[in-house]
Amino acid sequence: DAGVIQSPRHEVTEMGQEVTLRCKPISGHDYLFWYRQTMMRGLELLIYFNNNVPIDDSGMPEDRFSAKMPNASFSTLKIQPSEPRDSAVYFCASRPRQGVTGELFFGEGSRLTVL
Amino acid sequence: TQLLEQSPQFLSIQEGENLTVYCNSSSVFSSLQWYRQEPGEGPVLLVTVVTGGEVKKLKRLTFQFGDARKDSSLHITAAQPGDTGLYLCADNSLNTGNQFYFGTGTSLTVIP
Repeated sequence: DAGVIQSPRHEVTEMGQEVTLRCKPISGHDYLFWYRQTMMRGLELLIYFNNNVPIDDSGMPEDRFSAKMPNASFSTLKIQPSEPRDSAVYFCASRPRQGVTGELFFGEGSRLTVL
Repeated sequence: TQLLEQSPQFLSIQEGENLTVYCNSSSVFSSLQWYRQEPGEGPVLLVTVVTGGEVKKLKRLTFQFGDARKDSSLHITAAQPGDTGLYLCADNSLNTGNQFYFGTGTSLTVIP
């Protein structure tokens, strides 16, 4: 298996622009998580899905952030409009259904810089 | 939200030295995981501990889960440059509804 695949790896954009980050989880995994990592705040959970359904989005910073999972093999995290304080590394992770080891498998991350 | 505090935040040591990093929680874990993250990569699971007092070894790494299941430690013997990275503990507790919260992390640098 190729693991969790994220794109783009790097994105530089200007304040006010729309940003879309993409994630392909490991096939057969039921859970998908979006995290944001910064030096100041560490690894923050934004939202997670179970079987393509959003379960908890309480970590989403504000209405500028939205996430979708239209099918089991694809998810997006969108920021519109982007702001400099959104600069961070965004990680997608997936895991098998409950009852297995519970290990999270992370992608390599998308580094976002908003100027 | 369960708060996971890790200490120290930063650690820089010489190759061959021993070190211990800590993870403390504001409430009881059902189980706890340790991950290591190398620069430019996502975190990778090292171990899961479940039972209070449990000790697990992974080569030169020793993981201990506190008796009360509110704290954990990671001890590295004879550190090597390849151990350099960010060490994260994570709450794998089903009580949190699968949210999987991570600690603040310990950034370790092992100097050759």
